[in-house]
Formats: sequence, C-alpha cells, structure tokens
Amino acid sequence: EVQLVESGGGLVQPGRSLKLSCLASGFTFSNYGMNWIRQAPGKGLEWVASISSSSSYIYYADTVKGRFTISRDNAKNTLYLQMTSLRSEDTALYYCARQAVALDYWGQGVMVTVSS
Amino acid sequence: DVVMTQTPVSLPVSLGGQASISCRSSQSLVHSNGNTYLHWYLQKPGQSPQLLIYRVSNRFSGVPDRFSGSGSGTDFTLKISRVEPEDLGDYYCLQSTHFRTFGGGTKLELK
Repeated sequence: EVQLVESGGGLVQPGRSLKLSCLASGFTFSNYGMNWIRQAPGKGLEWVASISSSSSYIYYADTVKGRFTISRDNAKNTLYLQMTSLRSEDTALYYCARQAVALDYWGQGVMVTVSS
Repeated sequence: DVVMTQTPVSLPVSLGGQASISCRSSQSLVHSNGNTYLHWYLQKPGQSPQLLIYRVSNRFSGVPDRFSGSGSGTDFTLKISRVEPEDLGDYYCLQSTHFRTFGGGTKLELK
C-alpha cells in the first residue's frame, strides 16, 4: 500500500525557516518524481514544487522561487521542503504527492502557520 | 503561465442526478509528445485530494464508471452521473503539460 506521511509543520514567525519531510513507503521511491502542493485555509490547491526521481529536474511556483528548496534522499525514502523567509501567505496545509502520469497518491498533509 | 478556469464555482445537485464541471486552460494542453495532461480530483471534506481521472478520460483505479472525463486542447469536462452522497465535495482540475496548475475548484453540494 502506497503511503506518504508528512511531518515537520508547526507555528513559525514571519521571516523564519522550517523544513518539511515526507516519508514514503509501499513503492520504489527512487522510481518516481514527487511534488509539494499546499492549500491555504478555506482555499483551493496550489502547486508548490516538483522534483524528478534522480533530482535532475526541479521546478518551483513563482510564489516560492528563491525561498523554498525541494530535495530528496532516495536512500531514506524521504522528500523534503526547506522553507525560508516565511510569510503569512505561506500559511497552509502542505501535501506531498507522488508523480506518475498524474499526482496519483497524496499524503494527509502537514499544517504550517506563519504568525507572530 | 497557464491559467485554469473552472466553472461553476458551486454546483447544487440532487442525489441520483447528473453533474457537469468545466475546466478551460489559457493555452493548449497538448504536450509535444502528443499526450494531454489534464486530470481531475475530488477532495472530500477533511480529506486529501484523490485522483479520479487522468489524461482527460482515464479513470484511476477503483473509480466508478459514473465518473467520465472528456475534452481536448483547451476545453475539458468532468461528468458525474447518478450522483451519490460520497461524491459530494470539492472538485479540481490539474494540468501538468506546462509545469502544474490547478483550477480554482467546484463545490458539489446537495440541492
């Protein structure tokens, strides 16, 4: 069974940093690209970043480019999102999702709240 | 950047009835490899999004045949026939031809 479990969220002050993790199981992690998607409270889905299976290709949404860094450790079956210079508008539920033909499996999400 | 316009924002339906959701893109979603990467998701209250339809018209594993997708180029439609209670929630289209962009969402609710 494919499982994706996010962690690392919490309350953080504006301008500070936070690192999210997504632990994958039930499939060969190193064979799949991965994504981060977020959802602000009461709002729709926003794609944040993508990384290919071998980390050769990395893409970011304009809203986070230069502040967020996506990475992965295939030996640990783990996807990461390093978030710096956090703003109030980054407050959201952050999901990781596996990339097949579509984003086919999603985690339950981890909440990030940016507030003083 | 590709903009995905999803309509309607809210769609009241009766159980057993039919629903239709539209998704339009600001540019063609036909990839250079000939495939069209337009997908549909359902997010039930308090849950993560779940994949319903991939590449326009292909049902994901376990998705009932009440759900169907169609369209081409820039215009796409998700149809739900014989609406059941578990179909209620927020529907999103996603394009992954040009990076990734979600539509704004459609709330399917009881009339």
